[in-house]
Amino acid sequence: QKEVEQNSGPLSVPEGAIASLNCTYSDRGSQSFFWYRQYSGKSPELIMSIYSNGDKEDGRFTAQLNKASQYVSLLIRDSQPSDSATYLCASEGGFTDSWGKLQFGAGTQVVVTP
Amino acid sequence: GAVVSQHPSRVICKSGTSVKIECRSLDFQATTMFWYRQFPKQSLMLMATSNEGSKATYEQGVEKDKFLINHASLTLSTLTVTSAHPEDSSFYICSARRAGENTGELFFGEGSRLTVL
Repeated sequence: QKEVEQNSGPLSVPEGAIASLNCTYSDRGSQSFFWYRQYSGKSPELIMSIYSNGDKEDGRFTAQLNKASQYVSLLIRDSQPSDSATYLCASEGGFTDSWGKLQFGAGTQVVVTP
Repeated sequence: GAVVSQHPSRVICKSGTSVKIECRSLDFQATTMFWYRQFPKQSLMLMATSNEGSKATYEQGVEKDKFLINHASLTLSTLTVTSAHPEDSSFYICSARRAGENTGELFFGEGSRLTVL
């Protein structure tokens, strides 16, 4: 069973602080990784993608990937109340028949407190 | 940006009836669309991959005769839940990948919340 694991939270973060979210995956063949944000009752929205080891920054978001440790993380700097949502980690296999077939974690709920 | 539209956003039906959900890519062509289901407090689970002009491929444990998928054009895929029962009540979400792109960067529809009484 290919799995993506996340802490369910909730992760409570003061406004302006850094939120740190972690994700591990079991499929060593996974090549692409994504972070989606999902507000309650809404569908997911892509916020970051990362394909190679290291860090990738986009605005207040930084994704980190370590394929040797099968670990993906997301940092949210200067957290805002509007960042309060569930963050889903997803992985995609490396073969053509896996493209687009994302394996999602259960999500980490983030609550940013004013 | 790429927009994926789902309809209806909410549907309530009686047990035993069939419900059709539409997924449209509004400003791009999608040769492949994916249907997910999400129960409360749980992750998205892939149900099937919908390919334009061919039969859908279903994930293990998903009944193809119960969840009928049709991908008639490059911008439209439909999911029909046949003979719905209360346990089929869930949040159904479609996603699409731009034609010609080999990436997992999917664009999601708004989701359809199905309640079966």
